[in-house]
Amino acid sequence: RKEVEQDPGPFNVPEGATVAFNCTYSNSASQSFFWYRQDCRKEPKLLMSVYSSGNEDGRFTAQLNRASQYISLLIRDSKLSDSATYLCVVNHRGGGADGLTFGKGTHLIIQP
Amino acid sequence: DAGVIQSPRHEVTEMGQEVTLRCKPISGHDYLFWYRQTMMRGLELLIYFNNNVPIDDSGMPEDRFSAKMPNASFSTLKIQPSEPRDSAVYFCASSFSAGGNTDTQYFGPGTRLTVL
Repeated sequence: RKEVEQDPGPFNVPEGATVAFNCTYSNSASQSFFWYRQDCRKEPKLLMSVYSSGNEDGRFTAQLNRASQYISLLIRDSKLSDSATYLCVVNHRGGGADGLTFGKGTHLIIQP
Repeated sequence: DAGVIQSPRHEVTEMGQEVTLRCKPISGHDYLFWYRQTMMRGLELLIYFNNNVPIDDSGMPEDRFSAKMPNASFSTLKIQPSEPRDSAVYFCASSFSAGGNTDTQYFGPGTRLTVL
């Protein structure tokens, strides 16, 4: 079983719409969770952390469901610039940067 | 401040040749990671260092791959001999273990390697 699984997409979404995608993880002991964004032919960059109570950053909302072992990312009022690959990242250790496992990513295309 | 620096940005070589990829982490960061990314496998961790010491190299595909970190500001990933299946984007990332955001890794721009 893969440690971190994501629907690769692509998700084709019209500009202004709301889009959401999930990620599941296999290690129930995982401690921390993140979404990274990767633009075409660029490096991954941290988008936001995912907290147990859920968190919001502007148009982006991240949620964690420990019981079902999944995290989600919701993007409201999508912009053309949101087109990218979104990587789900799970830290399967107690903390620290050496325990990160990256999903393969979900490809999002925002259409005008 | 400068981010993670990688060189070269692009490398095209022929099968059997030696390839050396270079990385300069963010100053003060004590973790350095080497990743390989392909469409099929996604982002794979090859090896990582803590305070210049290799901690986990279980992701290194085979003996053709080797990595060194002679000091806190420089690391290399070497492939010898290279094979077409090594074609991928190789990323270097660094992180800082103390303080907040210890889980955040900062990636370099990557080296796009093509082995013919």
